[in-house]
Amino acid sequence: QLQLQESGPGLVKASETLSLICSVSGGSISSSYYYWGWIRQPPGRGLEWIGTISYSGKPFYNPSLKGRVTISADESGTQFSLNLSSVSAADTSMYFCARHGGFGVRNPFDVWGQGTLVTVSS
Amino acid sequence: EIVLTQSPGILFLSPGERATLSCRASQSLSGSHLAWYQQKPGQAPRLLIYGPSGRATGIPDRFSGSGSGTDFTLTISRLEPADFAVYYCQQYDNSPGLTFGTGTKVEIK
Repeated sequence: QLQLQESGPGLVKASETLSLICSVSGGSISSSYYYWGWIRQPPGRGLEWIGTISYSGKPFYNPSLKGRVTISADESGTQFSLNLSSVSAADTSMYFCARHGGFGVRNPFDVWGQGTLVTVSS
Repeated sequence: EIVLTQSPGILFLSPGERATLSCRASQSLSGSHLAWYQQKPGQAPRLLIYGPSGRATGIPDRFSGSGSGTDFTLTISRLEPADFAVYYCQQYDNSPGLTFGTGTKVEIK
């Protein structure tokens, strides 16, 4: 059974880079045709798509965050990562990784990690 | 960017009642690429409906989706206690600008 698990620092200082990893078990990022995404949710608010990476390593980013976001996958096929630079208090959120349920970005997210809370401190 | 507006913001209903949730897109979704998620406190969202009327794996048939173009509906035919949660719609029609709706909270009356 496919499972996703986010990990990384729970506290990041303003102006620094937020770095998170999504570990995939029960499947491989590179050996299937699925795409893999990051979504965030500020406390008490709605969901925002951050970006997605394809099974072949091609990234897609939310235009509103482009320039600050980098999503990449490691060669083992078991992890993909999120880097968000120049963070501010507005980036304080629960961060989720998830799988697109099909080939391409134009598919809903059918498997989610439990999420990890990242707080940006001043 | 496609903006999704959900209504109402909060819905007060009793177990056994029917819930009708609306999601309106700022422009037509050409492929009806719209999904619905359920989120409970402290949990990740769970995919309920996609495409816009397909049920995800394991989702009971009291959940149904409909709509096309700019107007979509999630219906819960008979609310059970486990259904009281927040519901989000999401469009995956406009790549790379995927967006989520504002959310509807279904609360016990």
